[in-house]
Amino acid sequence: DAGVTQSPTHLIKTRGQQVTLRCSPKSGHDTVSWYQQALGQGPQFIFQYYEEEERQRGNFPDRFSGHQFPNYSSELNVNALLLGDSALYLCASTSQLAGGPDTQYFGPGTRLTVL
Amino acid sequence: AQSVSQHNHHVILSEAASLELGCNYSYGGTVNLFWYVQYPGQHLQLLLKYFSGDPLVKGIKGFEAEFIKSKFSFNLRKPSVQWSDTAEYFCAVKNHGSSNTGKLIFGQGTTLQVKP
Repeated sequence: DAGVTQSPTHLIKTRGQQVTLRCSPKSGHDTVSWYQQALGQGPQFIFQYYEEEERQRGNFPDRFSGHQFPNYSSELNVNALLLGDSALYLCASTSQLAGGPDTQYFGPGTRLTVL
Repeated sequence: AQSVSQHNHHVILSEAASLELGCNYSYGGTVNLFWYVQYPGQHLQLLLKYFSGDPLVKGIKGFEAEFIKSKFSFNLRKPSVQWSDTAEYFCAVKNHGSSNTGKLIFGQGTTLQVKP
């Protein structure tokens, strides 16, 4: 049973560039959330996708956008990169279909460095 | 705004010592509570969770946590730590609102270092 996978593992960009990060949810999951984890901090919620729509959003600017595909995989796009966007980006998946309270399962993350 | 506070930022223990990591949250409604662990070089893994029922929950690797609603706390405990417990520990809270899913709000984490 494959867990949550993310690609790439590491990424180096320069200020002003754009980046796309990818996530495949755990088998059987239909909901994907993205989190940003700065060094020494806990993860912060960016947004959540279900049925190919953004359902919830955290306190992040419009430079952060996403997409969910029919196979439930998801992308996180960040435009006009800033130095402060350097962080570990985590994808988490869960299932709405199961009903009841859910548990989010996390992927290994993508380490983004902005120079 | 809702927040999660972990009081211990860095804890150093010797093997076999007992562990208690504090976690408090600010939200008056019904919540789901979680402890996640991040071992060096590995991804976040669920240690245990509380949704309802018995406020004392048991998780993997001998960890347990107690939900005390009156204190808005969900402290993590382990009677005897091992060197392999060296990791970063995160407490997280989710509002149990109309949606079954929703954002997790994390504390800033506690780094546990266990000396052999």
